Amino acid sequence: DGGITQSPKYLFRKEGQNVTLSCEQNLNHDAMYWYRQDPGQGLRLIYYSQIVNDFQKGDIAEGYSVSREKKESFPLTVTSAQKNPTAFYLCASSIRGNHNYGYTFGSGTRLTVV
Amino acid sequence: AQTVTQSQPEMSVQEAETVTLSCTYDTSESDYYLFWYKQPPSRQMILVIRQEAYKQQNATENRFSVNFQKAAKSFSLKISDSQLGDAAMYFCAYRSAGDSGAGSYQLTFGKGTKLSVIP
Repeated sequence: DGGITQSPKYLFRKEGQNVTLSCEQNLNHDAMYWYRQDPGQGLRLIYYSQIVNDFQKGDIAEGYSVSREKKESFPLTVTSAQKNPTAFYLCASSIRGNHNYGYTFGSGTRLTVV
Repeated sequence: AQTVTQSQPEMSVQEAETVTLSCTYDTSESDYYLFWYKQPPSRQMILVIRQEAYKQQNATENRFSVNFQKAAKSFSLKISDSQLGDAAMYFCAYRSAGDSGAGSYQLTFGKGTKLSVIP
């Protein structure tokens, strides 16, 4: 079955370390997105990519980086510059150009700084 | 930029009763799409219902229906015959219909409403 796989489900990071969250989809979707979810804040867009080798900053991109070398993959790196990285991270994908479709979401990664 | 507001951080409903979750949005566009997503304790985001702004008829999906008031920029979700499995966070979201360049594909979410169902 097609879907989006995020790994790991739980991730612990020490202060000053970079960590990478994985997001893979086999839906043949062009567009992929990373959102951060904090209690009472809803979902806030970090980065998005509409095609391979291209990506754009969202509303809260500082301290994060991404790459899009393959259509199926959109990894997110949380760098040491992100001052408050503890949060729940959701990856999503959609069909480019079909705005009625909404998103398909992964099951998320819970990142905790220890 | 579009904004989405959910004014009810928490709500509760008796099992088998009906509940309405509110959502308002701000936009200067005339064509767009609106969505309600459900996030149960598993945290998996599930699409509940969608509405196209150019359609006057309110969308329905089984026990879920919307009241779309375009002029008032209001998009409420009604859940009928509430069940224990309806307990979740509910997010309202907006998406532009036009390809207006960078960002036009993104969903803008409200902060969510936590719905509890009382047995």
